[in-house]
Amino acid sequence: GAVVSQHPSRVICKSGTSVKIECRSLDFQATTMFWYRQFPKKSLMLMATSNEGSKATYEQGVEKDKFLINHASLTLSTLTVTSAHPEDSSFYICSARYLTGGLAGANVLTFGAGSRLTVL
Amino acid sequence: GDSVTQMEGPVTLSEEAFLTINCTYTATGYPSLFWYVQYPGEGLQLLLKATKADDKGSNKGFEATYRKETTSFHLEKGSVQVSDSAVYFCALIGVAGGTSYGKLTFGQGTILTVHP
Repeated sequence: GAVVSQHPSRVICKSGTSVKIECRSLDFQATTMFWYRQFPKKSLMLMATSNEGSKATYEQGVEKDKFLINHASLTLSTLTVTSAHPEDSSFYICSARYLTGGLAGANVLTFGAGSRLTVL
Repeated sequence: GDSVTQMEGPVTLSEEAFLTINCTYTATGYPSLFWYVQYPGEGLQLLLKATKADDKGSNKGFEATYRKETTSFHLEKGSVQVSDSAVYFCALIGVAGGTSYGKLTFGQGTILTVHP
């Protein structure tokens, strides 16, 4: 149980186009999902917290107009990179909080396999 | 702010060799510490965790001890297998994260390759 599916796993696009990445919780409901990005040889950095039915909370320095996050249902969050440029090329990973109950359960995060974006 | 530093990889070992991946952190207060593993084509999986000083997390033969005095959480395994080949991430949730358990701070990851 507690599987998160992320799609696409790889995407190549031209500069100026927009790219949408989907993150789905397959067998549980996720009221909160998280989006991370990783540059080569760098740490995973939290970009934003996606809350079902409300606006995402972005980390400092992340452009909310460039990285649009929509969490329209309890099983789906999407990240859209708008007007992508080569510097947006990165590895994007989503995760969802899986509540198994009790305080210990609040610490369980399930991750997707990640999406590698290359902007030409 | 909080930060995590891992030893740079890649790390290449022969089967049954001893593994150590170093991880040190900077954080205020008493963070919770984690090791995540990512196998090829899969999402990150929690490998083990420790929530207070001197705690030892263990799973699948891997161990890590929360050392407050050295701000470290080194990952060890006595005898690695080919199936352990993966990327390993050290991470923490700082005190400032409060109940927001998604605010993990990650190290850059260490690629481990184990040869038969």
